[in-house]
Amino acid sequence: DTQMTQSPSSVSASVGDRITISCRASQTIGTWLAWYQQKPGRAPKLLITSSSNLQYGVPSRFSGRGSGTDFALTISSLQPEDFATYYCQQADSFPLLSFGGGTKVEI
Amino acid sequence: EVHLVESGGGLVQPGGSLRLSCAASGFTFSSYWMNWVRQSPGKGLEWVANIKQDGSEKYYVDSVNGRFTISRDNAKNSLYLQMNSLRPEDTAVYYCASGTYYLDNWGQGTLVTVSS
Repeated sequence: DTQMTQSPSSVSASVGDRITISCRASQTIGTWLAWYQQKPGRAPKLLITSSSNLQYGVPSRFSGRGSGTDFALTISSLQPEDFATYYCQQADSFPLLSFGGGTKVEI
Repeated sequence: EVHLVESGGGLVQPGGSLRLSCAASGFTFSSYWMNWVRQSPGKGLEWVANIKQDGSEKYYVDSVNGRFTISRDNAKNSLYLQMNSLRPEDTAVYYCASGTYYLDNWGQGTLVTVSS
């Protein structure tokens, strides 16, 4: 099984800050990685697929990079609506999928 | 617009059973893999199961394999999760989500509480 580990588990930041969230896979997964955003009481929202492909309608301040085992989600200038929890998800072992533990971005 | 609406959650005793449903609209349901993902209170996301477009392939996370059964009815645009031998650790919000490798549409979730 491919385990996904995110760091940090939480980050405190301010509006306008640049932040980077990391996601590490227990084995190489190519670029089979997605990022999701989840706000309290809401369903997750798909942001990025295949490590770096922004979904339609997702602001360009979000970017993803990485391949193999190490991946990162960067928000270039935090906006108030970006305070949420972010999850990575691997798809290399499809049809078996798995998520990272999440990173909470808080003020 | 894509709509996924889960139902069937509730309170059940340990060892009991529950059947979740997910009604889909706004897309060609029969063309997509479908998934169940759960989230225990205050915890992260856990992929639970998925099913191929025609229902011929089904896969599960180890912790539910043999207890849960995913199924679908393409004529009714519906996805199901039959949950048997429920345990307290199965307590979670259960989401249905469409997508093959990545989950691009999600329902609002239904809460399952396993407690005596």
